[in-house]
Amino acid sequence: AQSVTQPDIHITVSEGASLELRCNYSYGATPYLFWYVQSPGQGLQLLLKYFSGDTLVQGIKGFEAEFKRSQSSFNLRKPSVHWSDAAEYFCAVGASRNYGGSQGNLIFGKGTKLSVKP
Amino acid sequence: KAGVTQTPRYLIKTRGQQVTLSCSPISGHRSVSWYQQTPGQGLQFLFEYFSETQRNKGNFPGRFSGRQFSNSRSEMNVSTLELGDSALYLCASSLDGQVSNEQFFGPGTRLTVL
Repeated sequence: AQSVTQPDIHITVSEGASLELRCNYSYGATPYLFWYVQSPGQGLQLLLKYFSGDTLVQGIKGFEAEFKRSQSSFNLRKPSVHWSDAAEYFCAVGASRNYGGSQGNLIFGKGTKLSVKP
Repeated sequence: KAGVTQTPRYLIKTRGQQVTLSCSPISGHRSVSWYQQTPGQGLQFLFEYFSETQRNKGNFPGRFSGRQFSNSRSEMNVSTLELGDSALYLCASSLDGQVSNEQFFGPGTRLTVL
């Protein structure tokens, strides 16, 4: 079954420190992978996505993620966290409705809440 | 370009009632998906509409239904509300619903069932 696991429910980092949020997926084919961020009271905003090609993808707000097929992982990183990065982060896989088909929906992990210490 | 809008933003209902939520997608987007977000279950896919047809459905009971109009606006309906239906309901639009295309999310409707 297709699934996404984010092992860390809550992470606290100091402002200026580096950040890595973990994401593991289970999917039978080459996955479409996404990271979204949700601020309190807001919808989800796409940070970055991976479909194919270079396994290191750059996103908005200084975030990057690396796809590792051998580990079924797609971890999100940022070299220096800002107080405004405090939010909840969701990893998602685009699951085809029909195996190999192009239409489908997103399957989300449970999210990681990021707190930033001054 | 205006983003995805959802109305109302907040709603309070009692058990047994029904509710209708509305979503207006980004202009030009023909696919609208609905997700339910709860603290316990996280974000779960409800259904997707494309060109007024339900094309994909998640694992929710028949009390949850939806429709899409010719202008791509979508509504979802929940009948016979239960306490467990309290959630943030998010609508997302995309050009054509392909998994490779970005889904743009609205701010959500916060439903509270008393």
